[in-house]
Amino acid sequence: DTGVSQDPRHKITKRGQNVTFRCDPISEHNRLYWYRQTLGQGPEFLTYFQNEAQLEKSRLLSDRFSAERPKGSFSTLEIQRTEQGDSAMYLCASSLVFGGGTDTQYFGPGTRLTVL
Amino acid sequence: TQLLEQSPQFLSIQEGENLTVYCNSSSVFSSLQWYRQEPGEGPVLLVTVVTGGEVKKLKRLTFQFGDARKDSSLHITAAQPGDTGLYLCAGDRGGYQKVTFGTGTKLQVIP
Repeated sequence: DTGVSQDPRHKITKRGQNVTFRCDPISEHNRLYWYRQTLGQGPEFLTYFQNEAQLEKSRLLSDRFSAERPKGSFSTLEIQRTEQGDSAMYLCASSLVFGGGTDTQYFGPGTRLTVL
Repeated sequence: TQLLEQSPQFLSIQEGENLTVYCNSSSVFSSLQWYRQEPGEGPVLLVTVVTGGEVKKLKRLTFQFGDARKDSSLHITAAQPGDTGLYLCAGDRGGYQKVTFGTGTKLQVIP
């Protein structure tokens, strides 16, 4: 299977705990995006990487959120001191962009986070 | 500021009916994608349109990119219950600018 994978699929945690999610993009895709999505809404941009460089981070994102893509392959998203408002689906997407090409993203299945 | 507005936000129709979903913006996009998402899953890519005025067909789905590359539409003919889901458009402005997602259209097709 060469699609985008995310782990875990579901995470239940208590308020104040730290959580970390992993995303494995499609092999050789150079861009990787993280989004947050609540029920019935479109994905909300969190951050994205071009290879290992983090090119943009949403201004809405608090300092409790951090993402890494150390070798330009898989990425991790960490949320520190979780709050109930962090409960959402966290989506990862990857794309291959070069020259003036299009940024067509392929999504993983998402990680559903529930903060109690 | 939401760069991509979709309409309608919700749509509930009977099986066999036709429908059109719109994705509008004041910005010009180098390409635009349409996705369908089912509950608990990630969005699945349906199509990418690149050229102004381009029309693409995918079985009963017809996608059109506006001449000025600022808007797009998705038309479904003879909707089926399997078409139920959240439809999302996403615009790419090229270079290092991030892709922008629309507000979403939730479609329910009743058997």
